[in-house]
Amino acid sequence: KAGVTQTPRYLIKTRGQQVTLSCSPISGHRSVSWYQQTPGQGLQFLFEYFSETQRNKGNFPGRFSGRQFSNSRSEMNVSTLELGDSALYLCASSRAGYTEAFFGQGTRLTVV
Amino acid sequence: QKEVEQNSGPLSVPEGAIASLNCTYSDRGSQSFFWYRQYSGKSPELIMFIYSNGDKEDGRFTAQLNKASQYVSLLIRDSQPSDSATYLCAASTSGTYKYIFGTGTRLKVLA
Repeated sequence: KAGVTQTPRYLIKTRGQQVTLSCSPISGHRSVSWYQQTPGQGLQFLFEYFSETQRNKGNFPGRFSGRQFSNSRSEMNVSTLELGDSALYLCASSRAGYTEAFFGQGTRLTVV
Repeated sequence: QKEVEQNSGPLSVPEGAIASLNCTYSDRGSQSFFWYRQYSGKSPELIMFIYSNGDKEDGRFTAQLNKASQYVSLLIRDSQPSDSATYLCAASTSGTYKYIFGTGTRLKVLA
């Protein structure tokens, strides 16, 4: 059974640009959550989607947005990139009715 | 601010010993608790989860939860050098996949 797949694995962007990251959950999983991991702040929750609806949102500026498609795949977008957005972005998927979440390999974003 | 706190370590234990990792949480509404292992440069891997007071065992791992003390722990028996990693504790409230993570404890198992 395939795990959570995130693409791309690595990205280098310039300040002010925007970026879109993609996440394909485990087959049958309908919930997708996004996290940002940095050495200083650790893992921080960005948002969670279930059946194309955002159910929870973390304390991030509006430059961070996401969406989920009918096949449960999800994308997150960061506009007007800042140096501080450099981080590992992790996607996790969960099966309805179960509490545990499984992470993908992450996308490492570097903003220069 | 709802928090999950962990000692950053490193926690060093000799091979074959029991490693004890601890975590406290501030939100009494937290219902489920998770332990993830993260190797350097890799993504977090789920080890165990627990939502009832008491102990839960899975192989060499035992998770312990004490809701009255707002305390979660992970015991690793017969520690191996391959267990050397950062261990992340997370908490969530009922019906949500919004996890609050601690900053992790780095474990070093010495051969």
